Amino acid sequence: AQKVTQAQTEISVVEKEDVTLDCVYETRDTTYYLFWYKQPPSGELVFLIRRNSFDEQNEISGRYSWNFQKSTSSFNFTITASQVVDSAVYFCALSDDGGSNYKLTFGKGTLLTVNP
Amino acid sequence: DTEVTQTPKHLVMGMTNKKSLKCEQHMGHRAMYWYKQKAKKPPELMFVYSYEKLSINESVPSRFSPECPNSSLLNLHLHALQPEDSALYLCASSPGQGPYEQYFGPGTRLTVT
Repeated sequence: AQKVTQAQTEISVVEKEDVTLDCVYETRDTTYYLFWYKQPPSGELVFLIRRNSFDEQNEISGRYSWNFQKSTSSFNFTITASQVVDSAVYFCALSDDGGSNYKLTFGKGTLLTVNP
Repeated sequence: DTEVTQTPKHLVMGMTNKKSLKCEQHMGHRAMYWYKQKAKKPPELMFVYSYEKLSINESVPSRFSPECPNSSLLNLHLHALQPEDSALYLCASSPGQGPYEQYFGPGTRLTVT
């Protein structure tokens, strides 16, 4: 069975600090996909990244970067020089075909608050 | 255009009412989803439509009835709801039913009185 653990329930930082959101996953499949979504207070989930299990290259998009490590089953997300607009709940999610029809399994989310 | 629209934004209904939630996408996606999200929890999958056919029903009570009139539209018909059904209802779409990114709408915040 799939499982996604986001151990950090809430994180509070001051603007311009770097912050890393942790995500640890469990799956029996060798082919799987990992996602990060952002949910600001408005409620809409915003897709940030999708990564497949065969691509361990780290990715950078502006102030966002992702570190995928299969050896530790982790897919961590770092925001550099955080801004108040980054305040949101961030969900890590896993999708595989281990009998789940590629349904998304979400972690419980991490509430990030960036203070001015 | 990566937009999924949902109406209404807010809905208050009594336990005897019948109402419908609507969702629309124009990205040519062939899979559409309904999720329910309670406060401080992740979204929970309710239904998946693939090519306009119901593909997954996550044992949702029959007081929730989904409908997919065409590839762009998804409805959720509500009848005889309970107060515990109050939640944010999110619609999403993806290119197909598979390991694709899902694009979410802004949600309908439902309150059952």
